[in-house]
Amino acid sequence: EAQVTQNPRYLITVTGKKLTVTCSQNMNHEYMSWYRQDPGLGLRQIYYSMNVEVTDKGDVPEGYKVSRKEKRNFPLILESPSPNQTSLYFCASSLYAAFLERGEDTGAFFGQGTRLTVV
Amino acid sequence: AQTVTQSQPEMSVQEAETVTLSCTYDTSESDYYLFWYKQPPSRQMILVIRQEAYKQQNATENRFSVNFQKAAKSFSLKISDSQLGDAAMYFCAYRSGQTGNQFYFGTGTSLTVIP
Repeated sequence: EAQVTQNPRYLITVTGKKLTVTCSQNMNHEYMSWYRQDPGLGLRQIYYSMNVEVTDKGDVPEGYKVSRKEKRNFPLILESPSPNQTSLYFCASSLYAAFLERGEDTGAFFGQGTRLTVV
Repeated sequence: AQTVTQSQPEMSVQEAETVTLSCTYDTSESDYYLFWYKQPPSRQMILVIRQEAYKQQNATENRFSVNFQKAAKSFSLKISDSQLGDAAMYFCAYRSGQTGNQFYFGTGTSLTVIP
């Protein structure tokens, strides 16, 4: 079954305590990204990766890190979490746009989401 | 960056009735994809329907259909015969078909289905 697996689903932590949210996909997708979802703001991209060892900032990258050492995995790292990073986080994967023929875009596949609370 | 606007933060519909959710977007590109995602209380993001900009025919998936107006940059979602399970947050999304991999999302519309 094609899926994006994201863990944990819920996480409560304290300010400054480093944490990692894992993301893994089994569809051999080149493109992976992280979003945060906040009420009234929709989903905003944090970081993305176009392939192994290729990552770049999205629209709201401050306070986050990512790595892409393997094609299937794309963890999100918060080195020193702060309360303003309390949010719902999603990992997503998709086919690389440049490789698509017309009509082939199946959209993004999302993980189950991680509800992060930083106190 | 592209912008996607959903001007209806909340909508409600009677069960078995039809409801239309609005979405507009801003782009200078001619080749792109549009999507509607559903997010039920489980938080899972579920692809409902997609539309390729080069296609004039509106996409349909069972009770879900879109009204794609390329010149007006409008992409509304129509849900027919609404069911209780349709209650969710709905997000409109844009993706460039040429250079982009990033998906741009609207702020969402929360749909309530009234029994």
